[in-house]
Formats: sequence, structure tokens, C-alpha cells
Amino acid sequence: KNEVEQSPQNLTAQEGEFITINCSYSVGISALHWLQQHPGGGIVSLFMLSSGKKKHGRLIATINIQEKHSSLHITASHPRDSAVYICAVRLNNAGNMLTFGGGTRLMVKP
Amino acid sequence: ETGVTQTPRHLVMGMTNKKSLKCEQHLGHNAMYWYKQSAKKPLELMFVYNFKEQTENNSVPSRFSPECPNSSHLFLHLHTLQPEDSALYLCASSRAGAYEQYFGPGTRLTVT
Repeated sequence: KNEVEQSPQNLTAQEGEFITINCSYSVGISALHWLQQHPGGGIVSLFMLSSGKKKHGRLIATINIQEKHSSLHITASHPRDSAVYICAVRLNNAGNMLTFGGGTRLMVKP
Repeated sequence: ETGVTQTPRHLVMGMTNKKSLKCEQHLGHNAMYWYKQSAKKPLELMFVYNFKEQTENNSVPSRFSPECPNSSHLFLHLHTLQPEDSALYLCASSRAGAYEQYFGPGTRLTVT
């Protein structure tokens, strides 16, 4: 079993819908990252968080350390949000090493 | 040029070839990383360099040989690869320590 599990694996939404992607992890962490990977491979870091909630534009990331769970929300989704969203955690005492989830492939239809 | 760049973007090589992947960062970072992304698998960390010193080798076969001549450049030397090594190889950089990582566009490698 992977230490970082994401759900769903695939998600199709209509433009304008509110989207939630979930990430659960099984070990102690010092930080959690949400990444976005577009077709072609380039990866962009969206958020790094260790507690609470962060917001950037239409994106919101939350983390519950006690429940070992994080969510990424996209409000008013748009076709350009179509990408793979990857959750990654920095394990305690792991320095700057990240452990990655399998990703959620999101398609937003116009 | 800004950010993290990787060359080449695509590479096809035979199993007996020797080739190198190059990564360059213009962000003033002092940690650099190599990752492998195979089809239908999570990203896997391969190597980490902090201040030009290798600090992590994630049980990578010796047919992959990293080199970090300075904090801005990272190479991955490839020799006698196997078809299962075909993947997207991503470079990233960050400030040393637990900071946000910035990724390059990747090199898509095909081993024939």
C-alpha cells in the first residue's frame, strides 16, 4: 500500500463545477505539497502547507494533521484546469525528500 | 532564461548507447533533484544533491549516474539502459531544506 493515496484517480467535471480532490497519508509528515502536471509533463507547485488552509485564486488547499488528510478544491472550474493533480508529502526526518501520490487526472468539459 | 530547464526534451536511445540528460536552474537554489515518472506509477525520487553533494540515492541502478558540478547544473549520465527505463525524467530544484520545489519540463526518454 502506497504511503500516499489520492482519490479519485480520474475525475470529469463540467465547466463551473466545484471540484474536490482528496489525499490521505499514513505516516507522520512535516509538510504536504499539491502539484499540477499538464499534458507534456511540466509540473507546477500549487501549494505547500503544514496546517490549516491556503487559498490562491480559485484554488483552496486544506490539511487536517490529526486525520492525516488533505483536500484540494477548485471553484468555478474551467477547461484550462484539466491536468493531473499530485499530492506529495515530506515525511518527518526525511529532509527535502518527497513521497508522491499516484495523481488525480481531471478533465473539465466546456 | 528563468526557472528550471532540461535538455534534451525528447531522447531515443538504444540499449548500448551512452547519453546524458542536462538540467540547469536559474533560481539561485542549492538543492537539485532527479525524478523518474513511469506510465501509471507515482513519481519516484532518484537522487538529491544539496550544495553539490549527493545526499540521497534512492536505490537507483548504477546504469544511472548523476553528476552535479555546481549548484546550478545537474546531469544524469545513462549507459546500457533497459527498455523499462523508458520514462519521463524530471529535474527539480529548491532552497536546501524543506522548501517548495520547482520542476523542469522533463526529458521523455525511450529506450529501444
